[in-house]
Amino acid sequence: KAGVTQTPRYLIKTRGQQVTLSCSPISGHRSVSWYQQTPGQGLQFLFEYFSETQRNKGNFPGRFSGRQFSNSRSEMNVSTLELGDSALYLCASRQDSTYEQYFGPGTRLTVT
Amino acid sequence: EDQVTQSPEALRLQEGESSSLNCSYTVSGLRGLFWYRQDPGKGPEFLFTLYSAGEEKEKERLKATLTKKESFLHITAPKPEDSATYLCAVRSGANSKLTFGKGITLSVRP
Repeated sequence: KAGVTQTPRYLIKTRGQQVTLSCSPISGHRSVSWYQQTPGQGLQFLFEYFSETQRNKGNFPGRFSGRQFSNSRSEMNVSTLELGDSALYLCASRQDSTYEQYFGPGTRLTVT
Repeated sequence: EDQVTQSPEALRLQEGESSSLNCSYTVSGLRGLFWYRQDPGKGPEFLFTLYSAGEEKEKERLKATLTKKESFLHITAPKPEDSATYLCAVRSGANSKLTFGKGITLSVRP
């Protein structure tokens, strides 16, 4: 089975711009979660989607949003980028019956 | 709020020198403790899930154990390829949100 895929792998954006990241979960996985990883804060939960509905949201400002499509693929959007948004953004998927999450390789976002 | 603390932050071992990585947690109602391995430039790779105190799981040179307040990842006779950052995470409540520790960077010298 193919693993979780994320595109693009690398992005460079300027402050004030917006960005959209994409995630394709493992086939058959309907739950997709997003995390932000930085050297200072580590891995922090952004949100979780299941069957196109947001189930849970972390403590991030409203500039961070996401959605999920009927094929379980997910996107996250960050608007009005700030320097502090530079991070590795990780997507993870899981089966309905377990809570073991499988991560993709991440998208490295650099905001200049 | 769930809290996870991992120690030490970094650990350097000689090849074959066994050791343990610690993960202390504070949660209201543990629904799972997860160990991951992360290599530079890659996403975390799932290793183990533990659900209740006394539970143990093994995979090759790794063994994870769980008590009511902490988990240990024991590494027996490590090899250089075991060098990575090891992350611990907990889940509580009905949702699948994971709260992660900052990780332990393990370096194994040949």
